Amino acid sequence: DAGVTQSPTHLIKTRGQQVTLRCSPKSGHDTVSWYQQALGQGPQFIFQYYEEEERQRGNFPDRFSGHQFPNYSSELNVNALLLGDSALYLCASRRRSTNEKLFFGSGTQLSVL
Amino acid sequence: DAKTTQPNSMESNEEEPVHLPCNHSTISGTDYIHWYRQLPSQGPEYVIHGLTSNVNNRMASLAIAEDRKSSTLILHRATLRDAAVYYCILKKIRNNAGNMLTFGGGTRLMVKP
Repeated sequence: DAGVTQSPTHLIKTRGQQVTLRCSPKSGHDTVSWYQQALGQGPQFIFQYYEEEERQRGNFPDRFSGHQFPNYSSELNVNALLLGDSALYLCASRRRSTNEKLFFGSGTQLSVL
Repeated sequence: DAKTTQPNSMESNEEEPVHLPCNHSTISGTDYIHWYRQLPSQGPEYVIHGLTSNVNNRMASLAIAEDRKSSTLILHRATLRDAAVYYCILKKIRNNAGNMLTFGGGTRLMVKP
């Protein structure tokens, strides 16, 4: 079982650009959520997807958007990048029909110059 | 939302027990107590969770105060591999609470050989 996989592992962008990060959930999982982790801080919830729709959202601007595909994989898009968007972006998944634990990927390290 | 308070850092010797405290004085009756840990360069991983009674699993034990205003994560024999940031998180019982976890700063555990 591959667990939660994210790509790319590292990314460098320039202010004002747009970025797309990808996530494949653990086998058997149907919900995906995204977290942002700034250096030295705990992860902050961005949003959650299941049944291909955004279901819950944290305190993030509309520049952050996402998508979930029929195979349950997901993308996180960030538009008009700011220096402050530099962070580790984590994807997490679980099976929605249970209250089981979240499984996290190792993240994508985004640097905005 | 109820918040948790943890020490910023703790130190332990290898092969000795470690007790990681967490205060959650405003916990509600619908909050589970979850612990996750984050090893260097990895995403968080689930450790244990409980509601009222003490819990044990292969990774750790969770001791919950009778009034539920505090809890302690117990690693019975710390190893170098247990060096990580440990997060104590409150999560609502209901399944539609989804994947949203509210992380604080956590406790950075250092293990000395």
